[in-house]
Amino acid sequence: GQNIDQPTEMTATEGAIVQINCTYQTSGFNGLFWYQQHAGEAPTFLSYNVLDGLEEKGRFSSFLSRSKGYSYLLLKELQMKDSASYLCAVRDRTGSGGYQKVTFGTGTKLQVIP
Amino acid sequence: DTGVSQDPRHKITKRGQNVTFRCDPISEHNRLYWYRQTLGQGPEFLTYFQNEAQLEKSRLLSDRFSAERPKGSFSTLEIQRTEQGDSAMYLCASSLEVAYGYTFGSGTRLTVV
Repeated sequence: GQNIDQPTEMTATEGAIVQINCTYQTSGFNGLFWYQQHAGEAPTFLSYNVLDGLEEKGRFSSFLSRSKGYSYLLLKELQMKDSASYLCAVRDRTGSGGYQKVTFGTGTKLQVIP
Repeated sequence: DTGVSQDPRHKITKRGQNVTFRCDPISEHNRLYWYRQTLGQGPEFLTYFQNEAQLEKSRLLSDRFSAERPKGSFSTLEIQRTEQGDSAMYLCASSLEVAYGYTFGSGTRLTVV
């Protein structure tokens, strides 16, 4: 099975930088995703890491360390619209039927304040 | 393409009734997933289709749940004899390649009273 841990809530100031951490335990790791989910809406894909290192996409960056079972999502120049839940999801190659199961964490609710 | 569409957006039903939800994925996506999400939790995997074949089904899914994807296009999720514990947001997602992540629909919010 999988175990995914993220902080439940975080608060940060508009214009600042925030780092949301995710730790995981899985027997067949094959990729980690970050999704953003605004209240009452569907998750939207932000990033995918399968190799160690930092992936940068505009104001958002995602980092992965497979040996430590650790990832973080870095949000720069925070805007009020970044207030949302951020979901870490891990892909595991141990599924059957060719399916590599993606398991989501419970999400980190980020509140951006003026 | 307008993305992943789900219908209905909201459904209120009495306990014991059957309900059916529909998902229309992005047309070129051959992979389709159903997830369930309750308040304060992340999406929980229910089932996966590659084209018309249902390749994986969660052990958490009871026999009251069934899903189909005829002709590898749209999919339906049926819940028979609904229970109050079935109240949740039911999310459908599709993908072409895993590295691009899933595209989720807006979900169907089910309330069982």
